Amino acid sequence: EPEVTQTPSHQVTQMGQEVILRCVPISNHLYFYWYRQILGQKVEFLVSFYNNEISEKSEIFDDQFSVERPDGSNFTLKIRSTKLEDSAMYFCASRPHSGTETQYFGPGTRLLVL
Amino acid sequence: AQSVAQPEDQVNVAEGNPLTVKCTYSVSGNPYLFWYVQYPNRGLQFLLKYITGDNLVKGSYGFEAEFNKSQTSFHLKKPSALVSDSALYFCAVRDDGVRNNDMRFGAGTRLTVKP
Repeated sequence: EPEVTQTPSHQVTQMGQEVILRCVPISNHLYFYWYRQILGQKVEFLVSFYNNEISEKSEIFDDQFSVERPDGSNFTLKIRSTKLEDSAMYFCASRPHSGTETQYFGPGTRLLVL
Repeated sequence: AQSVAQPEDQVNVAEGNPLTVKCTYSVSGNPYLFWYVQYPNRGLQFLLKYITGDNLVKGSYGFEAEFNKSQTSFHLKKPSALVSDSALYFCAVRDDGVRNNDMRFGAGTRLTVKP
């Protein structure tokens, strides 16, 4: 069964550094998402992406964040200058088309900012 | 904007007993409702959803949930809990009355099933 994959599984970075989190959505999916989960807390929506543009973003998704679909398979989340409070688990999700509401999640990338 | 509430941080049940994990929602249009489960150090796994139709939906691992429009609830249930059901459960909602609107999650409920 096809799955959403994410790399790396863990990343440690210094405050102020740029990080890029990578996701490979399920191949025939059209809608892509990033969420984050601070340790032990709720899952928070960051951004949704469709037809090569952002369709919705939350107040968390400020100018430090950007997303890109550089080719036909990858979907990336970039944090330009990481802050301590960016430490969290970041989940990518995808869904196939407008008639199907279920989002399928990747295993997550645990980001630790020191 | 839509919102979802899970009023219990923690639910404890004995193995073999029925379990209920509560969820209530608020939307401007019609709700699309979801339950996801998260096992330790893992991603979110889809359990079940309500989009339209029968108010009682059945999902993976013997779970079911009942959509109650008058009470704006979508409680997750299972007739007989297993120790392996112990995990973090998230309710999520999408509001079809808001354009370009995507899913929002509740805070999660930690279910512990004791042998």
